[in-house]
Formats: sequence, C-alpha cells, structure tokens
Amino acid sequence: DGGITQSPKYLFRKEGQNVTLSCEQNLNHDAMYWYRQDPGQGLRLIYYSQIVNDFQKGDIAEGYSVSREKKESFPLTVTSAQKNPTAFYLCASSIRGSLGSNQPQHFGDGTRLSIL
Amino acid sequence: SQKIEQNSEALNIQEGKTATLTCNYTNYSPAYLQWYRQDPGRGPVFLLLIRENEKEKRKERLKVTFDTTLKQSLFHITASQPADSATYLCAPSNGYNKLIFGAGTRLAVHP
Repeated sequence: DGGITQSPKYLFRKEGQNVTLSCEQNLNHDAMYWYRQDPGQGLRLIYYSQIVNDFQKGDIAEGYSVSREKKESFPLTVTSAQKNPTAFYLCASSIRGSLGSNQPQHFGDGTRLSIL
Repeated sequence: SQKIEQNSEALNIQEGKTATLTCNYTNYSPAYLQWYRQDPGRGPVFLLLIRENEKEKRKERLKVTFDTTLKQSLFHITASQPADSATYLCAPSNGYNKLIFGAGTRLAVHP
C-alpha cells in the first residue's frame, strides 16, 4: 500500500539536543511538507519542498532544518534553538500540480516529541 | 493576518441526525477550500475539495458549501453514525498547494 511513514511514533529530547524526525513516502509525490500541531491550534507549516534539492521556509521555520536529497524522503531536524519543541509533528505529501491548482495532501500518522 | 475560525466547542449529535460544521475565514480570499478528518493520535485524512466557483460539492453522505461573500464554508454529514466521530479540519488555500488549517471542530455522534 502506498503511503507516508513517520518514525518514531514517540520521541524524547533532552535539553540542548538536536533530534531528527523521519518521513518517507512511496506515493511518488513531488511535494512534501512538515507541520506542527499544538492543542487548540491549527496545523502550522514549518517547511515545504516542491521538488528534490529545493525547500522553502513555512510560517514557523525558526529552530528547525530540513533536507530533500531524495524524492521519497524529507527529514526534519528539531535543533536546540527551538525553545518550545514539545508538539505533534506531521509530515505530508502531494502531487506538485500546476500553478494555480490545489492538491489534497496525504499525511503520515505523526511523531509526538516531548522534552525530558 | 489570515484567520481561520472553527467552533472550538465539540458538537454532540444523535445518530441519524445531520451534523453541520462551520469554517469562517477573514483577511483572506481563498480560491479553494479542503476539509479533512483527524482521529486522535493520527494524521488528517483528506475528504473533499471545493473551488470558489462551486457553490456545493457532495460525496456520499458528505456535503460542502463555499460562500465567498460570507467568507464561510459549511460541512454537512447526513445520517450521521458513531463512526463519524472525529475532529474535522478546514483548510482554505490560495491555490499554490499551501494550506492554512483551522484548529478543527470535534464531532461526537451518540448512539
């Protein structure tokens, strides 16, 4: 079955540590996204990538970094500069679409990050 | 700044009734609007997309309306079932694959 796999499901970070969240998709989608979800708030876009070797900052990119070396993979690193990293992180992918189109996004089941 | 508002209070309805969820937006003129379902501890699942020139879209028991004058979308589930219990998210878009998500409304359907 095609889909998006996020790992691990739960992750704990010590103060001052960087951690990397994995996101892999086998849907052959060009576009991939990282969101953060906090209680009572909508999903907020961290980074997105429309094509391999290219990515753009979203609305809350500070304290995060990404890479897009392969079409199927879009890992997110939460750095020690992110002062409030405890959240539910969601990865998504979509067909890139032409300019002015709008494509549904397919989501993984998330990684819950907590601070020890 | 752009603002998406969905009822923060849970909607409780009886099985078999129609559930209606509201999504209002301000400082924004989206060309598209998507609706997603999210179960606890899971990622959102896409349900429906409606374009600004479409007044209404249907899929099985689901119906979505999009009123660009009122800046509002309504999401209806007819003949609701306990399995429909979840949080429903609206996500307007300007058409560049960048979505802005509302916080969602939790629906509870009671037998």
